[in-house]
Amino acid sequence: ETGVTQTPRHLVMGMTNKKSLKCEQHLGHNAMYWYKQSAKKPLELMFVYSLEERVENNSVPSRFSPECPNSSHLFLHLHTLQPEDSALYLCASSQEWGLAGGQDTQYFGPGTRLTVL
Amino acid sequence: ELKVEQNPLFLSMQEGKNYTIYCNYSTTSDRLYWYRQDPGKSLESLFVLLSNGAVKQEGRLMASLDTKARLSTLHITAAVHDLSATYFCAVGGGSQGNLIFGKGTKLSVKP
Repeated sequence: ETGVTQTPRHLVMGMTNKKSLKCEQHLGHNAMYWYKQSAKKPLELMFVYSLEERVENNSVPSRFSPECPNSSHLFLHLHTLQPEDSALYLCASSQEWGLAGGQDTQYFGPGTRLTVL
Repeated sequence: ELKVEQNPLFLSMQEGKNYTIYCNYSTTSDRLYWYRQDPGKSLESLFVLLSNGAVKQEGRLMASLDTKARLSTLHITAAVHDLSATYFCAVGGGSQGNLIFGKGTKLSVKP
């Protein structure tokens, strides 16, 4: 596979469930990102990992827990979510993080459409 | 705090017509990106603009950047149905160098 892949593509979960979203990039990039895209808000950055270390956490509730075991994989662990967490969750990667220039063009995965009942 | 505003948010146009989408941002930035998103799909990178006066063209789309005015435009020439999508601009320079996205412009091109 090429580019950035995400699984599952669709997920329906109850508020008491625990689930995980997976992202994998095949581009040899060093930075990976989780974004939330909901109908009424701009794309919101949730987490940034650079060389497997978290470098950004935009006041995201603790019910979202990221994990980056290596530079190719990124997970988002979900537990006790709320209905307002229903959204499209996008993963992205870039060559480097925080640098000027085209190196940090972000390449996005197809997203996971999450519905919380 | 860096803010990015796009307008219009919705645009319905006829095939063959020209139109421009605007992206304003609030503080100095050294890079600006345009992305396209088709319904149910991911974001696809269209253009990266890195300097004042930069202009890039791909097919019927042309993007430009005026860093002094803190403005980028995405110009559509002789629109075709295949251009129907949501277009996002994103500006570098948020806290710790991240990208800040506009709300997107949903473009619908009708025959």
